[in-house]
Amino acid sequence: QVQLQESGPGLVKPSETLSLTCSVSGASIISHHWSWIRQAPGKGLEWIGFINYTGSTKYNPSLKSRVIVSLDISQRQFSLKLTSVTAADTAVYFCTRDFKGRSDSWSQGILVTVSS
Amino acid sequence: DIQMTQSPSTLSASVGDRVTITCRASQSISIWLAWYQQKPGKAPELLIYKASTLESGVPSRFSGSGSGTEFSLTINGLQPDDFATYYCQHNNDYRTFGQGTRVEVK
Repeated sequence: QVQLQESGPGLVKPSETLSLTCSVSGASIISHHWSWIRQAPGKGLEWIGFINYTGSTKYNPSLKSRVIVSLDISQRQFSLKLTSVTAADTAVYFCTRDFKGRSDSWSQGILVTVSS
Repeated sequence: DIQMTQSPSTLSASVGDRVTITCRASQSISIWLAWYQQKPGKAPELLIYKASTLESGVPSRFSGSGSGTEFSLTINGLQPDDFATYYCQHNNDYRTFGQGTRVEVK
């Protein structure tokens, strides 16, 4: 059974960089794509981007200029960096296994608040 | 960019009802569509992929159909556990979610 657990600060100051890490267990990290998805309070789901084991990435065009997703195969982790955050980036952030395009395993989600 | 439009935004229904949610893509996405269910405070769960394939463990009262630009999710015999928000997601190349449909108690 795939398990995903995100970690990172729950509070980030405006203009700073949001950094989250997702630890993977129960699945080979080199066999799939891995995605980040977020959900602002009371709002819908927004796909941020994904990475595969070759390091190939694809990002939501609306966030592309501020997003970096990276992979650490040895640590079985993948990470999200979102730069120059504003209050609009306050959201619950999920990491998922992206299996042939669909997110079939999800983390529980971590609330990240952007505030001074 | 491909846009996904769900309708309705909110659907009021009773236990036992047959409910249908529609998702429209701004251009053809073949069958590259998934459906998710989300309950308050929880992560979404995959229900259907490739437009009509039921994810393992998902009750058979859920079904999906469509191709190209028009898709639907149907729940046959709504159960108390099905009151939730449902999202479609285009997943060919980029991944784009619809805005969600909340199924509430009538």
